[in-house]
Amino acid sequence: DVKVTQSSRYLVKRTGEKVFLECVQDMDHENMFWYRQDPGLGLRLIYFSYDVKMKEKGDIPEGYSVSREKKERFSLILESASTNQTSMYLCASRRPGTGGSGANVLTFGAGSRLTVL
Amino acid sequence: GDSVTQMEGPVTLSEEACLTINCTYTATGYPSLFWYVQYPGEGLQLLLKATKADDKGSNKGFEATYRKETTSFHLEKGSVQVSDSAVYFCALSDLGQGAQKLVFGQGTRLTINP
Repeated sequence: DVKVTQSSRYLVKRTGEKVFLECVQDMDHENMFWYRQDPGLGLRLIYFSYDVKMKEKGDIPEGYSVSREKKERFSLILESASTNQTSMYLCASRRPGTGGSGANVLTFGAGSRLTVL
Repeated sequence: GDSVTQMEGPVTLSEEACLTINCTYTATGYPSLFWYVQYPGEGLQLLLKATKADDKGSNKGFEATYRKETTSFHLEKGSVQVSDSAVYFCALSDLGQGAQKLVFGQGTRLTINP
């Protein structure tokens, strides 16, 4: 089974701090995603990456950046954390395409709950 | 753009009750449809999916049928268990959009009482 590992389950940061959220997957998936999850809003896409060194803005990229230097690792960066970025952050990876039962299915990490004070 | 609308929650049922969680979508292309489940303290995991009209996805006693005419993908289970308590997300992936992003509904929290 694909495993997606998020390095921190819980973080508490102060306003203005730089925050790194790390995500690693072990199945050589091309696509990786960062979502934030907020009550009543479901999952909103922050950034995604088709492949190494490629990135695309999602629906709510403001205040975030990403890095994908290696295929297995996709990092989310909050350059200057703000209280409205307090949320649950979910990383996911996917093998794209239409062939086979596993194609186009997201595999999620357990999430990183960030609190910004 | 594409969107998914789910039944408002939370939903509370007794064990062995019948469950339906409604999901409707709008899409410009021919989307694949998914139900993901999030158990307490965990990330999301795929529950079932359907890739074309009239397909039925099923898993763990849950079923959902891709209805193109009503643009719906309702989740059903005939007899729920306490262990089914979780948050359920309906989602679509529209390959016609090129980006292959998943669009999620807002989630429905389900609580099953013994």
